[in-house]
Amino acid sequence: AQTVTQSQPEMSVQEAETVTLSCTYDTSESNYYLFWYKQPPSRQMILVIRQEAYKQQNATENRFSVNFQKAAKSFSLKISDSQLGDTAMYFCAFMANTGANSKLTFGKGITLSVRP
Amino acid sequence: DAGITQSPRHKVTETGTPVTLRCHQTENHRYMYWYRQDPGHGLRLIHYSYGVKDTDKGEVSDGYSVSRSKTEDFLLTLESATSSQTSVYFCAISDIAGVGETQYFGPGTRLLVL
Repeated sequence: AQTVTQSQPEMSVQEAETVTLSCTYDTSESNYYLFWYKQPPSRQMILVIRQEAYKQQNATENRFSVNFQKAAKSFSLKISDSQLGDTAMYFCAFMANTGANSKLTFGKGITLSVRP
Repeated sequence: DAGITQSPRHKVTETGTPVTLRCHQTENHRYMYWYRQDPGHGLRLIHYSYGVKDTDKGEVSDGYSVSRSKTEDFLLTLESATSSQTSVYFCAISDIAGVGETQYFGPGTRLLVL
């Protein structure tokens, strides 16, 4: 079974600064996918970024980038130039590529507060 | 945004009563999922569907049943609600299961069981 660990329950960052959210996972699979989802106060779950394990290049989406360390089973999210709208809960999630019916496993989430 | 709606958005009910939550999609996606979100647990999969009338259990399926008679609708039923089922319920859809396919989420239903 896969597990996803987000050990920091809360973080705070000043507007315009950079923050890194940590995530580690445990799996025996060699082919899988990793995701970061954002949940603002509206509770809507929004995909932030996605990484394929077979790709060595770290995924980036505008101000969001990941540091994917496959050997260490680490998948951290870096948010550059933090904005007030980044205030949200962030979830790391894992999906093994085991074909049809593969499932998402979520971490417990981290609450990020961006200070003005 | 993916066309996913959930109804009701909020519900208060009493222990022992049946409750049905509805997820409706306009994307014609094959796969649909029900999750619950609780503090300290993230999101956990309850049931999922891989086609009309094809469903399977997830991680926390006890006390829940599902049905899918049409591609666009996926119903979650609590046959006899308990206080431990107080939670926020999310529906999600995807076009292809696995292969890293992104799941898109509905707005959630907040359920309180008294």
